[in-house]
Amino acid sequence: DQQVKQNSPSLSVQEGRISILNCDYTNSMFDYFLWYKKYPAEGPTFLISISSIKDKNEDGRFTVFLNKSAKHLSLHIVPSQPGDSAVYFCAAIVNAGNNRKLIWGLGTSLAVNP
Amino acid sequence: SQTIHQWPATLVQPVGSPLSLECTVEGTSNPNLYWYRQAAGRGLQLLFYSIGIGQISSEVPQNLSASRPQDRQFILSSKKLLLSDSGFYLCASLLRSGAENTEAFFGQGTRLTVV
Repeated sequence: DQQVKQNSPSLSVQEGRISILNCDYTNSMFDYFLWYKKYPAEGPTFLISISSIKDKNEDGRFTVFLNKSAKHLSLHIVPSQPGDSAVYFCAAIVNAGNNRKLIWGLGTSLAVNP
Repeated sequence: SQTIHQWPATLVQPVGSPLSLECTVEGTSNPNLYWYRQAAGRGLQLLFYSIGIGQISSEVPQNLSASRPQDRQFILSSKKLLLSDSGFYLCASLLRSGAENTEAFFGQGTRLTVV
């Protein structure tokens, strides 16, 4: 049962354009969402997060939008750069007291073409 | 901020041999700790998580086990490795509570090849 879904396994974008990475979730108890970037054979690198009480969070070229009614979030990268080429993971946190669980999507591979 | 140390970086082990991967955390106390595996071309699969010393929860039945002998130490083990245990293993840390702290920190990973 995939609670966090990234339905596009890959995405290709021209340099300078906007990259939009999508993520859907099923559990309404998730209270934080995170986006990570990962290169092969390395640990994931944190990009940006958003609390479930917000609908937008922006950090430089990265913006995350959350639509709770649709259980959907997206990561926008503007402008896209070749160095952004990596696998992007969406993750959600559900809290149960001190027990915080991280649930991950399967990732979307982004290729930014020069 | 937190730092996760994970070793070894790469490991080649024969089928049937034991395994011990170690993860230690600096810069925090009482974290939640996680072991993930990323098989080739796939996402991050949660294997184990721990909310404290000696407290381990397993997400999927498998050939592996985990232990947390100290607050900032998390160990992934196997008595006899299988070919299917090959993959990229990641340790992660997340603060146990706190509305402002939503970032999970990752180690650099261990590439395990079982031959």
